[in-house]
Amino acid sequence: AQSVTQPDIHITVSEGASLELRCNYSYGATPYLFWYVQSPGQGLQLLLKYFSGDTLVQGIKGFEAEFKRSQSSFNLRKPSVHWSDAAEYFCAVGTGGSQGNLIFGKGTKLSVKP
Amino acid sequence: DTEVTQTPKHLVMGMTNKKSLKCEQHMGHRAMYWYKQKAKKPPELMFVYSYEKLSINESVPSRFSPECPNSSLLNLHLHALQPEDSALYLCASSPRAGRDTGELFFGEGSRLTVL
Repeated sequence: AQSVTQPDIHITVSEGASLELRCNYSYGATPYLFWYVQSPGQGLQLLLKYFSGDTLVQGIKGFEAEFKRSQSSFNLRKPSVHWSDAAEYFCAVGTGGSQGNLIFGKGTKLSVKP
Repeated sequence: DTEVTQTPKHLVMGMTNKKSLKCEQHMGHRAMYWYKQKAKKPPELMFVYSYEKLSINESVPSRFSPECPNSSLLNLHLHALQPEDSALYLCASSPRAGRDTGELFFGEGSRLTVL
C-alpha cells in the first residue's frame, strides 16, 4: 500500500541552526513528491516538488530537498533556520492516478528557539 | 498570496443551522477539492470535482453537500452538523483533471466550530 512516513512528530532547533526533516515513502513506481508548510490556522503552502530530473530540488524560503530512490526518501533541508519557519511541515506523494490521489504524511511540527 | 480564496475564514454554527462554505479560484484549474483537517492531523480528502462533476466522494456523511456551480467556484453546504465536525476545511485546486501529478493549490481554509 502507498504510504508516507514522517518519523519525527516534533523537532526543535535554534535559530540559525541547520534543519533536516525526514520523509520516507512507499510506492511502486516513481512518485511525484511534495513538501507543504502550514502555519497555525492557515492553509497549506507548497514549498517544493519533485517530478523527475535533478534529484536535488530548490524551493521557496531557502528550502531544498533531495530525492533518494535507493532509500525511498525525500528529506527537506534548510541551512539556517529563521524564527518564521516555525510551522507544521507535511511531506506528500502524488501517485499520478485519479484526481485527489495525494497521500500525506502525518506532519512534523517545527519549533524554533531564539 | 494564495490564489484560492475561501470564505468565510471563521464560522460558528449550531447543530440545527444551515450554512455554506465557499471557494473560488481564477487559475483556470479544472479540478477542485474539499479537505477536512482536524488539529495536529494531515488533511483528509472529502470530495473531488473534475470538470465541474463530482468524481470522488470519500464516504462523507450526507450532512455535507458539495456543489460546483462553475469551473471557478466550489461550495460546501452544511446542515445538521455535529460538534465532531468542527475542523479546518480546506479547498484546493489542481491544473488538470485526469492523470494528475497531485500538485494542489490550497486556500487559507475556513475554521468551522459546531456548537
